Amino acid sequence: KQEVTQIPAALSVPEGENLVLNCSFTDSAIYNLQWFRQDPGKGLTSLLLIQSSQREQTSGRLNASLDKSSGRSTLYIAASQPGDSATYLCAEKGGGADGLTFGKGTHLIIQP
Amino acid sequence: GAGVSQTPSNKVTEKGKYVELRCDPISGHTALYWYRQSLGQGPEFLIYFQGTGAADDSGLPNDRFFAVRPEGSVSTLKIQRTERGDSAVYLCASSPRVGEAGGSYNEQFFGPGTRLTVL
Repeated sequence: KQEVTQIPAALSVPEGENLVLNCSFTDSAIYNLQWFRQDPGKGLTSLLLIQSSQREQTSGRLNASLDKSSGRSTLYIAASQPGDSATYLCAEKGGGADGLTFGKGTHLIIQP
Repeated sequence: GAGVSQTPSNKVTEKGKYVELRCDPISGHTALYWYRQSLGQGPEFLIYFQGTGAADDSGLPNDRFFAVRPEGSVSTLKIQRTERGDSAVYLCASSPRVGEAGGSYNEQFFGPGTRLTVL
């Protein structure tokens, strides 16, 4: 069974800081990796999708990287804002699986 | 355009009852997924449809759970003889046809979920 681990489980930083969220996965046959944001009591909002052939994707202040050889992905958030406060989930899709395998998420708080 | 919608948003039922949860995917998306999320956990995969057929139901926990998608659009997740351990948020996601060309193929878009509480 594939596993996805996210570190740290929780993070609190002052507004304006740049930060990195970490995700590691055991699937050596990863097909793609997707980062989501989840607000309390809400569904998941897709942030970035990285195909296995790519090394990174960028959207606005967000940059996600993928290193298949080490089984790691990072989500970089630049110039953090209070509105970025949420739980961030990473999920991988393996070549042999149809559904996504999720980590437990990183609960992020940006202090005004 | 409209995103994935799920109804009801909340469902409270008694142990032993039958429930149905509905998912309306994004128009034109042929792939549909159901997940279950318990408190403090990431979502767990339940079942995947490509068109009308369940292509992968390996995540369904037992035979009390069943899902259909008769016309290849709306899907219903059905739970028989509900148990307290079934309490969770049930999430539905859809994506464009698997393997379709384009940088975002296979990106999954999630609905707001149905919070199921079994008393």
